[in-house]
Amino acid sequence: QKEVEQNSGPLSVPEGAIASLNCTYSDRGSQSFFWYRQYSGKSPELIMSIYSNGDKEDGRFTAQLNKASQYVSLLIRDSQPSDSATYLCAVTILTSAGGGADGLTFGKGTHLIIQP
Amino acid sequence: GAGVSQSPRYKVAKRGQDVALRCDPISGHVSLFWYQQALGQGPEFLTYFQNEAQLDKSGLPSDRFFAERPEGSVSTLKIQRTQQEDSAVYLCASSFNRAYEQYFGPGTRLTVT
Repeated sequence: QKEVEQNSGPLSVPEGAIASLNCTYSDRGSQSFFWYRQYSGKSPELIMSIYSNGDKEDGRFTAQLNKASQYVSLLIRDSQPSDSATYLCAVTILTSAGGGADGLTFGKGTHLIIQP
Repeated sequence: GAGVSQSPRYKVAKRGQDVALRCDPISGHVSLFWYQQALGQGPEFLTYFQNEAQLDKSGLPSDRFFAERPEGSVSTLKIQRTQQEDSAVYLCASSFNRAYEQYFGPGTRLTVT
């Protein structure tokens, strides 16, 4: 049973501070890791992807992956009110047959509120 | 370029009716996925196509759910004899290939009354 766990929040962060979002996953076979942002009433929007251990930075966003601890995080620097949304962690597994991946397994999401 | 498109955006069906939801993926994306999202939950995987081949349908909740992608482009998710528990947002996503990033369409909000 593949599981992805996130703290549902809400996580309240003052504007300009760093928001830290965490995610753990149960399946050691997980190979690809993604963060999606979802505004209320909208569909998920891809923010970051990370495939190997370490940090990956893109603008104000940094994704961190630790496969040994089965832990992935997202840091948002200089948080803005427009960052207020639900952040979904998702993982996928490469199947043995043909190296393909099946569907994403999502956490329930963390509701982030950036306070002006 | 154009993103993933879905239609209709909203659908109200009476219990017992059949519905068909359409997904038009990003041009050139061979992988197509359907997800179901209930309120306050993350999306749940339903089924996956690689071109026209349906390689995984393990997430379809019952045999009332059927998906197809006959020409490897547009896909249709059909739900027969809708039930109230089918009320959810149905999301379609596409990717360049299997393990790559998935991009979501706007979703279809289905309400069964």
